[in-house]
Amino acid sequence: DGGITQSPKYLFRKEGQNVTLSCEQNLNHDAMYWYRQDPGQGLRLIYYSQIVNDFQKGDIAEGYSVSREKKESFPLTVTSAQKNPTAFYLCASSTGTRRHTGELFFGEGSRLTVL
Amino acid sequence: GQQVMQIPQYQHVQEGEDFTTYCNSSTTLSNIQWYKQRPGGHPVFLIQLVKSGEVKKQKRLTFQFGEAKKNSSLHITATQTTDVGTYFCAGRGGQETSGSRLTFGEGTQLTVNP
Repeated sequence: DGGITQSPKYLFRKEGQNVTLSCEQNLNHDAMYWYRQDPGQGLRLIYYSQIVNDFQKGDIAEGYSVSREKKESFPLTVTSAQKNPTAFYLCASSTGTRRHTGELFFGEGSRLTVL
Repeated sequence: GQQVMQIPQYQHVQEGEDFTTYCNSSTTLSNIQWYKQRPGGHPVFLIQLVKSGEVKKQKRLTFQFGEAKKNSSLHITATQTTDVGTYFCAGRGGQETSGSRLTFGEGTQLTVNP
């Protein structure tokens, strides 16, 4: 079935450690996104990519890094520089281009807890 | 930068009552989307509005896009327990440089008492 797969679903990390969250899609979408969701709050954009080998910072990019070497994959690294990394991370993809936004298809999310 | 505000933050209703959530943008939007997130789940797309003054219906759900393309609303008639969840609006800026980026509102969490 086509869709978006995020892994791991749950992750625990010690302070000072980097961690990478995986996001893979087989929908042939050009655009991919990473959002962060905190309890009772909305989705805040971390990074997004409209095409392979290109990505832009969102509203809260500090302490995060991404790469887009393949169309299907958009991994997110939460670095030790992120001061409050405990959150629910959602990856999404769409047919969006520079002038158009298609509907977002979300993965099931990765819940990161820093101990 | 673009901001999207959504009210109310929480809404508790009795089953059968109506429900409305409102979304307001600080800038003109080219389009607005609505999503629903069930408790413990991920957001799922409901609808997209593009035209000024547009109204769309999906069974008991009615979506509106304001004339100025800066506000939107979602109205649910006769709520059911299956309507429980958080409803988000998400807007794309009206400028060419907005690309495919969407800004989400904070969401309205709906609970329905049977």
